[in-house]
Amino acid sequence: NAGVTQTPKFRVLKTGQSMTLLCAQDMNHEYMYWYRQDPGMGLRLIHYSVGEGTTAKGEVPDGYNVSRLKKQNFLLGLESAAPSQTSVYFCASSYPQGTEAFFGQGTRLTVV
Amino acid sequence: AQSVTQLDSQVPVFEEAPVELRCNYSSSVSVYLFWYVQYPNQGLQLLLKYLSGSTLVESINGFEAEFNKSQTSFHLRKPSVHISDTAEYFCAVSDPSNTGKLIFGQGTTLQVKP
Repeated sequence: NAGVTQTPKFRVLKTGQSMTLLCAQDMNHEYMYWYRQDPGMGLRLIHYSVGEGTTAKGEVPDGYNVSRLKKQNFLLGLESAAPSQTSVYFCASSYPQGTEAFFGQGTRLTVV
Repeated sequence: AQSVTQLDSQVPVFEEAPVELRCNYSSSVSVYLFWYVQYPNQGLQLLLKYLSGSTLVESINGFEAEFNKSQTSFHLRKPSVHISDTAEYFCAVSDPSNTGKLIFGQGTTLQVKP
């Protein structure tokens, strides 16, 4: 039972480059989330989705885009990476009403 | 809007001593409350949660937390810590009527010393 799987686990980008982070869950969860973790700031919500084909902005959405074409996948895109986007990114999924969220292992992204 | 405040960024403690990690939240609606633990270079794991019912909730590894509605707190306690409890701990709230997205505190690093 894989749970929530994120790819890649590590990535180094140059300023201005683009990339896509993939999140896949095998628990048939309706809700999926993307967070970023920075020292001393906890986890902040970037975007989330309450179902296939739907997305919404979270607390810090600027510079990111997302897509949920399939229920099990939630993609996070950076169109033009900036050093301020250096962070650890976590994907999570949950059933409706948020009684528990399951997290992936994270993607460590460095933008130079 | 909801918010979560973890009152201590770092808590050093000796092995076998008791520990309390403090968490306060603000919300105008009923919420669910969670504690997550993150071991070095790993993702977040659910430690315990309060959804309803008894205000004292326990985890399988000896942690407990008490929901105090009047003080809007959800402090995490353990009577005797182990070296293996060294990790970062996050308190979080969610609004069950609003997509269930989690709002996290800043995190508390628990450092257990021998």
